[in-house]
Amino acid sequence: GQNIDQPTEMTATEGAIVQINCTYQTSGFNGLFWYQQHAGEAPTFLSYNVLDGLEEKGRFSSFLSRSKGYSYLLLKELQMKDSASYLCAVLDSNYQLIWGAGTKLIIKP
Amino acid sequence: GAVVSQHPSWVICKSGTSVKIECRSLDFQATTMFWYRQFPKQSLMLMATSNEGSKATYEQGVEKDKFLINHASLTLSTLTVTSAHPEDSSFYICSARDQEGRGVYEQYFGPGTRLTVT
Repeated sequence: GQNIDQPTEMTATEGAIVQINCTYQTSGFNGLFWYQQHAGEAPTFLSYNVLDGLEEKGRFSSFLSRSKGYSYLLLKELQMKDSASYLCAVLDSNYQLIWGAGTKLIIKP
Repeated sequence: GAVVSQHPSWVICKSGTSVKIECRSLDFQATTMFWYRQFPKQSLMLMATSNEGSKATYEQGVEKDKFLINHASLTLSTLTVTSAHPEDSSFYICSARDQEGRGVYEQYFGPGTRLTVT
């Protein structure tokens, strides 16, 4: 079966750095997405990785290791507005998005 | 960037009635649109994949006669919840895939429709 695992909840302090991990087992791989979703709102796109390595975009970076079936989202200089759920999703061999359950990130002052 | 709109943003209806939700891609053509449902504190659940000009593909466990999907144009897909019941109360989100000229299978999400069935 297809499976994506990420922690249910994480807590971090404003101004700090947090890393949200995602491991996956899917039938085929055509890329991995990270989305941010605030409560009561739809997800918004953060990053897309299809090759191994680190993609940096401002305060957010995303890393992929295809051989390990592993990705992480790194958030630097945390702000209170970063409190949200972070969803990991993998595009499988049929170009269908397989979603993780999401990681709820709580930022404390 | 690509923008997807949904209408209405929230709706309250009585049990047994039908509700139509519209999803529009505003600045791009979407040959494929997706309908998701999300219950509180849970992740997105794909309900169906909608392709322009053809029948939607429903995920296992989703009743196609209850959740009618129409994708009549490259910019509009509709989801009709027929004979709604309280258990259908949920957050319904559509997304659209812009494949032309981008080469990335990124989905752009609408703002969602919160449905409450009383």
